[in-house]
Amino acid sequence: EVQLVESGGGLVQPGRSLRLSCAASGFTFDDYAIHWVRQAPGKGLEWVSGISWNSGSIGYADSVKGRFTISRDNAKSSLYLQMNSLRVEDTAFYYCAKSWTGYYKDGVDYWGQGTLVTVSS
Amino acid sequence: IVLTQSPDFKSVTPKEKVTITCRASQSVGINLHWYQQKPDQSPKLVIKYASQSFSGVPSRFSGSGSGTDFTLTINSLEAEDAATYYCHQTSSLPTTFGGGTKVQIK
Repeated sequence: EVQLVESGGGLVQPGRSLRLSCAASGFTFDDYAIHWVRQAPGKGLEWVSGISWNSGSIGYADSVKGRFTISRDNAKSSLYLQMNSLRVEDTAFYYCAKSWTGYYKDGVDYWGQGTLVTVSS
Repeated sequence: IVLTQSPDFKSVTPKEKVTITCRASQSVGINLHWYQQKPDQSPKLVIKYASQSFSGVPSRFSGSGSGTDFTLTINSLEAEDAATYYCHQTSSLPTTFGGGTKVQIK
């Protein structure tokens, strides 16, 4: 069974940093691209970032480019999102989501349960 | 690429047929996928590449379309289908989602 478990969310002040983690199991982690997708409370879905199977190809939404950094550790079957210079508008549930191929341009077939990041003073 | 879903909200009775549309601002080929999100849950894949049903999804769900116009159809709606449905394009980066269609059971 595919499982994606996010952690690291919480309350943080504007301008501060936070690091999210996603622990994967139930599939061969290093065969697949992984994404971060966020959802502000009561709102729709927004793609944040994606990373290919070997970290060779990475992409970011314009809204987070230069502030967020995605990375993965295939040996640990883990995905990370380093979030710097956080803004109030970054407040959202952050989902770790598995692609159905090794390339992050493709769609998502499994999602984690999400971790809530709240940016507020 | 902007994806526009319609309607935003639909209230339906059980066993009714439901049709949700997603229109893309430019052609996405068949790189259009549909997700179901129930309250307080994460999204689940329903349809990939416009018309391919994902494993385990009930046969009452179907998708069609190509280019800029797509449809998700739920035949004979069941109470468990109450959810918000999102379309998602992966033809062009950044990938984008539609605004969602909330389906409520009367």
